[in-house]
Amino acid sequence: GAVVSQHPSRVICKSGTSVKIECRSLDFQATTMFWYRQFPKQSLMLMATSNEGSKATYEQGVEKDKFLINHASLTLSTLTVTSAHPEDSSFYICSVQGLAGEVGVSGNEQFFGPGTRLTVL
Amino acid sequence: QKEVEQDPGPLSVPEGAIVSLNCTYSNSAFQYFMWYRQYSRKGPELLMYTYSSGNKEDGRFTAQVDKSSKYISLFIRDSQPSDSATYLCAMKMDSNYQLIWGAGTKLIIKP
Repeated sequence: GAVVSQHPSRVICKSGTSVKIECRSLDFQATTMFWYRQFPKQSLMLMATSNEGSKATYEQGVEKDKFLINHASLTLSTLTVTSAHPEDSSFYICSVQGLAGEVGVSGNEQFFGPGTRLTVL
Repeated sequence: QKEVEQDPGPLSVPEGAIVSLNCTYSNSAFQYFMWYRQYSRKGPELLMYTYSSGNKEDGRFTAQVDKSSKYISLFIRDSQPSDSATYLCAMKMDSNYQLIWGAGTKLIIKP
C-alpha cells in the first residue's frame, strides 16, 4: 500500500486566518488525491478530488473559494482553509488512490494520511 | 435510506471472542468492498479489500461479500484489546472513483 503523510498533525488558529495543510505521497506518484473532513463520531465526508495539474473537483456543498486545493506535483497536494471560522474546526484527512500494479494494490483502494486536527478559536 | 448502512455500536466483547461486523447496501452496482480500521484521532487504515462476491482471509481477519443479499462482513478471530477501534466499511462502483462509506462501528475489546 501507499505511505501518506500530512503536515501539520494539529493546528490551532484564530478566527479569520488561513491555514495550509500538506498531503504527501511518500512512495509513489499520485495523480489523484482526495480530501475528507470528519466530525467527531461521524464517518468521512469527501470534500474534493485533487488531480495533478488540473483544477480540483469539489463535492456539492463544499465552497471552493474557502477550501483551496492545489495539486502542483505528483507527490504533494495542499488544502488551504481561508478565513477560517470556528465551524471549520474538524479533522481533515487526505488519501491517495492506490496505484494498480503495486503488490496487493488493485487501483481501487484509497490509502489515508494520519489526519490534521484543526481548531479555530 | 442511506446507500450504506452500518450499526455505529458500540460493540463490546471480551478478549479472545470472535467479532462480527457488518454492512448492508442498496446499490447493486457496487463492485469493490473495503474495510478500514480507524483509531481515535488517526487516519483510516485499509484492512481488507474484496472484489465482487466471496471470502478473503488475512491473518485473524476474514472479509465476506454476499452480493445477492447486498451484505458484507468482517470477522476478527481471537480478538485483542489492540483491536479496539472504529471499523468503517466502504464500497465503490467500477465506473466511479468515489468511496461510499458506512457510519463506522466502534468496537471495544475488554481485557
